[in-house]
Amino acid sequence: NAGVMQNPRHLVRRRGQEARLRCSPMKGHSHVYWYRQLPEEGLKFMVYLQKENIIDESGMPKERFSAEFPKEGPSILRIQQVVRGDSAAYFCASSPLAGTQETQYFGPGTRLLVL
Amino acid sequence: GQQLNQSPQSMFIQEGEDVSMNCTSSSIFNTWLWYKQDPGEGPVLLIALYKAGELTSNGRLTAQFGITRKDSFLNISASIPSDVGIYFCAGRAVTGANSKLTFGKGITLSVRP
Repeated sequence: NAGVMQNPRHLVRRRGQEARLRCSPMKGHSHVYWYRQLPEEGLKFMVYLQKENIIDESGMPKERFSAEFPKEGPSILRIQQVVRGDSAAYFCASSPLAGTQETQYFGPGTRLLVL
Repeated sequence: GQQLNQSPQSMFIQEGEDVSMNCTSSSIFNTWLWYKQDPGEGPVLLIALYKAGELTSNGRLTAQFGITRKDSFLNISASIPSDVGIYFCAGRAVTGANSKLTFGKGITLSVRP
């Protein structure tokens, strides 16, 4: 099964620590998207990346959050100095192309809990 | 910003019944997608719609892309217990290279055996 993979599935951090969330897209997909989901809410777009490029980061907070998708290896969403409000499920999606018929496939998510 | 409206928040049906879910928007979308999410999992794509007026089926599921491009519906026929979950609509309004999805808040479906 070559689906979107995310790890860890669950992550517990204390306030002020750093959280690093990893996403490996489906084989052959070069577009990665990160979304955040709060309880009983829909997913909210954070950032869209292609290999080595950030295409759209309009949904990502300007401070403490960063994302990358290097030439080799998984995409990383990094949250520095976490606060309780960062507790949420973070989902990664990938697609093979961007355009009219693009479809995004989601990973199982990382559930971040900040104590 | 763009918003997708899904209501009601929860639906309760009897096994074997059909159910229809609506999703509306105040702005135009060029793609409509329907996803199902089980507890503790990521959304799973059910149906993708790319053209206004398009009607697409996937087994017991049927979805339509409204001709105004501001709405879509998902119909589930002859529901079964494993249909339980949260159903999200998502829309995409492509402008340049921007391919983000906008999600509704979801409808939680319960199926009584």
